[in-house]
Amino acid sequence: DQQVKQNSPSLSVQEGRISILNCDYTNSMFDYFLWYKKYPAEGPTFLISISSIKDKNEDGRFTVFLNKSAKHLSLHIVPSQPGDSAVYFCAARTNTGNQFYFGTGTSLTVIP
Amino acid sequence: KAGVTQTPRYLIKTRGQQVTLSCSPISGHRSVSWYQQTPGQGLQFLFEYFSETQRNKGNFPGRFSGRQFSNSRSEMNVSTLELGDSALYLCASSLVGPAGGNQPQHFGDGTRLSIL
Repeated sequence: DQQVKQNSPSLSVQEGRISILNCDYTNSMFDYFLWYKKYPAEGPTFLISISSIKDKNEDGRFTVFLNKSAKHLSLHIVPSQPGDSAVYFCAARTNTGNQFYFGTGTSLTVIP
Repeated sequence: KAGVTQTPRYLIKTRGQQVTLSCSPISGHRSVSWYQQTPGQGLQFLFEYFSETQRNKGNFPGRFSGRQFSNSRSEMNVSTLELGDSALYLCASSLVGPAGGNQPQHFGDGTRLSIL
């Protein structure tokens, strides 16, 4: 049972443009959400997180938006750079749980 | 500050053998989780340990087991290896304590296990 879903396996964006990565979840008890970036042959690197009391969190070029009513999470990267080319995973956890649930990832390619 | 360290980085085994993977968390982190990643799949949760106790377990057969030591280092063991066990095994640690709290997990670079 995939509780966190990333329905787009891949995304290509021109350098300098905005990249929007999407994530949907089914468990209404999730209250902490994260995005990770993963390069080949490396482990995932934590990018940005958001708790359910917020609907937006920014960190430099990265902004995460949370729409609780739609059970939808998105990551915006502006402007996109070639070094952003990687696989991006979203993850979620309930406020009482110790387990993180991960999506299947979206492979982002930023074209110079 | 040292990150999460996983050893070995690469491992080749044959069917029927067993294997032990090691994970040293970031200093001060007491929660350690293990994940399996296969091509086309996300990160499949194996188990999570805190203070030497397994708190959560994913939907994997009993051939997959783990433990955590008093210094928070963790090992996972897979017995009677099958071809389908070929995967990247990732370990992650976090500061999260028994009362929870919003702390991210930080990952090691994984152990690439290949079964022949």
